[in-house]
Order: sequence, then structure tokens, then C-alpha cells
Amino acid sequence: QKEVEQDPGPLSVPEGAIVSLNCTYSNSAFQYFMWYRQYSRKGPELLMYTYSSGNKEDGRFTAQVDKSSKYISLFIRDSQPSDSATYLCAMNPGGGNKLTFGTGTQLKVEL
Amino acid sequence: GAVVSQHPSRVICKSGTSVKIECRSLDFQATTMFWYRQFPKQSLMLMATSNEGSKATYEQGVEKDKFLINHASLTLSTLTVTSAHPEDSSFYICSAHPETGNTIYFGEGSWLTVV
Repeated sequence: QKEVEQDPGPLSVPEGAIVSLNCTYSNSAFQYFMWYRQYSRKGPELLMYTYSSGNKEDGRFTAQVDKSSKYISLFIRDSQPSDSATYLCAMNPGGGNKLTFGTGTQLKVEL
Repeated sequence: GAVVSQHPSRVICKSGTSVKIECRSLDFQATTMFWYRQFPKQSLMLMATSNEGSKATYEQGVEKDKFLINHASLTLSTLTVTSAHPEDSSFYICSAHPETGNTIYFGEGSWLTVV
């Protein structure tokens, strides 16, 4: 079993839809949770960063962490074609430790 | 957000030659930098962790003599692919961890093609 599980997709949604992306993990030491967006042939771009359990909102993006269930989510409201990319969840225990990544979910937002 | 710059973004080299890729944190000091390799449609594969002023820690299966990593300052780490072969062709990405906080930022990546 992988430390971090993420459905690779592809996930195809119509423009304006609410998108839900999820990851589960097994290591209870993980305290910091991040979502990165990666466009084709580019480096990952940090979207959201959360510490421990709770919600965090930034514009159309909301990140949720449920440590009791070892489950994290990223919601995208009013999705746009420009949101089409691969979304990677990542996490670590903190202290500059290396990130453990999910496999990434490929999202396509269609007109 | 914080900026991590990689150079070159694309490089083509001949088999047997060496190629150096630079990773710079432009607006923060990075105590730790990470080097990844990514194959098409796959997630990032961590190659090594470099800490300023000390030797890099390589992941299992990564040849340290082939992938030389130098973290000479708090803003610069380099990856040198030595005696490159076509199978080394890949997308190489660095990330940097600031001295404070736990956010990790990625560079834009470098495409290496060995012919």
C-alpha cells in the first residue's frame, strides 16, 4: 500500500462545475498538507498549504484536512478551462522533511 | 509566492557528455533543496535531498556518482548529470525549502534530451 493514495483520473467536468479532488494517507506523522497544480511540461505550482486539520479557502479553492480519517480534499468552484492540469497532493511531517506525493489527478475542464 | 528558478529550461547534449542544471531560490534562503525526476504521465520521483554545506542524501537506486549534487550556498544547488546517456533524458525538477516555515516551492523544471 502506498503512503499516499490519489485517483489518477482523468477527471472531466464541464465549465462552471465544482471539482472535488481527494487523497488518503496512512502515515499519522504527516502534519503539513499541500496541493500543487502542474501544467503539462511545467514544474508544480503551490496552490494551497494547510497545517493539521481544518479548512482553508483561497479564492475559488478550498482545502480540507481530516486527520482523524487521514483524508484531504481540494475543492475548485466555478471551474474554468484554465484549471485543466494535473493536481498533486503532497504532505510531510514538517521540519523541512521531504514531501510524499500522490500520483496526481489529471483534470480537464471542458467548455 | 516565492520564486525558484531553474536553468536551463531545456538542454540537448550528446551521449557521454556532462550537463549541469542550476536551481536558485530568488527571494528566500533555502536550507534544503530537493531534486526530482519525472517521467511522462507519472508523479515526481525524488532523487536526492541536499542541505547547504553538506553532502546530498540520495534515494535508493539513484547513482550518486552519476547525478552529482552540490548545494554551495543558501540560494543555489546544482545537479550535474555525468556521462549522460539517452536513458537519462527526462524532466528534472528542483524544489526549495525556506529557512522558516514548511512551504516547499518548485522550480519550472529542466528538460534534458541526450542524443
